[in-house]
Amino acid sequence: DTEVTQTPKHLVMGMTNKKSLKCEQHMGHRAMYWYKQKAKKPPELMFVYSYEKLSINESVPSRFSPECPNSSLLNLHLHALQPEDSALYLCASQGRRAGYTFGSGTRLTVV
Amino acid sequence: AQSVSQHNHHVILSEAASLELGCNYSYGGTVNLFWYVQYPGQHLQLLLKYFSGDPLVKGIKGFEAEFIKSKFSFNLRKPSVQWSDTAEYFCAVNAGNNRKLIWGLGTSLAVNP
Repeated sequence: DTEVTQTPKHLVMGMTNKKSLKCEQHMGHRAMYWYKQKAKKPPELMFVYSYEKLSINESVPSRFSPECPNSSLLNLHLHALQPEDSALYLCASQGRRAGYTFGSGTRLTVV
Repeated sequence: AQSVSQHNHHVILSEAASLELGCNYSYGGTVNLFWYVQYPGQHLQLLLKYFSGDPLVKGIKGFEAEFIKSKFSFNLRKPSVQWSDTAEYFCAVNAGNNRKLIWGLGTSLAVNP
């Protein structure tokens, strides 16, 4: 178990579906991140929220829409995804002088 | 542009062998350095980190790393590996107050019993 909780752990969705990934941390970290990871590759940064404001968007397609309702929660809304979007989606948080704490991830399959 | 280079993409060792995984970065200023491990099918776990102070950093599971500023390196070491150390190992760097982590491509370690 990690201190960053992600749900669901697994998700299968069709290309016309709308779904959301959720991430929660209660460590008081003020920076939260979404990453995408393919097998045996390093994570690719998607979005960064700092103090609940979007500070970095790594040119992610609009079919991915992040949301930070409060300092403990981070969502990633998915709509009209493509099969190549299948991957492990990781949430992370970071406190001052702390490493990045990663959640267990959501393994997403787009069919 | 900042980059991180991990020299060994695949490493195969026998149990009790010593391990050293290389990591070099390109950035001239203040950096924070990390090693993460990802066991098969699991999430990324922080092995150790360096922010400042003693350049020899001890982490979990008997791992350590040494920051050598003059060589822009942060190599990971373990004196005696176990079968359970089989995993992907990622070196990552962020520069100063930059929120972005720059990742190496990872090293796949297989330890034979």
